[in-house]
Amino acid sequence: QKEVEQDPGPLSVPEGAIVSLNCTYSNSAFQYFMWYRQYSRKGPELLMYTYSSGNKEDGRFTAQVDKSSKYISLFIRDSQPSDSATYLCAMSNTGGFKTIFGAGTRLFVKA
Amino acid sequence: DTAVSQTPKYLVTQMGNDKSIKCEQNLGHDTMYWYKQDSKKFLKIMFSYNNKELIINETVPNRFSPKSPDKAHLNLHINSLELGDSAVYFCASSQEASGTPDTQYFGPGTRLTVL
Repeated sequence: QKEVEQDPGPLSVPEGAIVSLNCTYSNSAFQYFMWYRQYSRKGPELLMYTYSSGNKEDGRFTAQVDKSSKYISLFIRDSQPSDSATYLCAMSNTGGFKTIFGAGTRLFVKA
Repeated sequence: DTAVSQTPKYLVTQMGNDKSIKCEQNLGHDTMYWYKQDSKKFLKIMFSYNNKELIINETVPNRFSPKSPDKAHLNLHINSLELGDSAVYFCASSQEASGTPDTQYFGPGTRLTVL
């Protein structure tokens, strides 16, 4: 079993839809939970991170962590064609140098 | 004023050759990484260096040898290239700080094709 599982998609939605992206993980030592966005032929860039459990909101993006279920989510409200990208979840231990990435979910938002 | 830069951007070479990829960061970070992203977009860490010291080596074949001449540079040399080495290689850097994750800044990637 991989440490982090993420459905690779692709996920195709119409413009304006609410998008839900998810990851599950097996290592209960993870404390930091991150979402990276990667446009085609570019490097990943950090969207947002959450420490431990709870929600975090940043504009149209909301990250949720449920440590009891080992489940994290990223919600995108009012999705735009410019949101079309691959979204990678990532996790790390406190103070660790090693970040484990999910496989990434390819999202297409149609105008 | 690129934060993390890599050269070359594209690399096409024959099996058995030796090649190097260079990475530089101007963010003043202490930690640098090499990742391999395969055709299925799976991003997997290869090496992590902190203050020029190797911290993580994720069971990467000995044909891959990272070198960090200083904190701002982490180069990757690959000997005897194989078909399976074809992938996109990303360099990244981070500044570990108390209370924050090792938020990583990625370079644009080097697309390696081995023929």
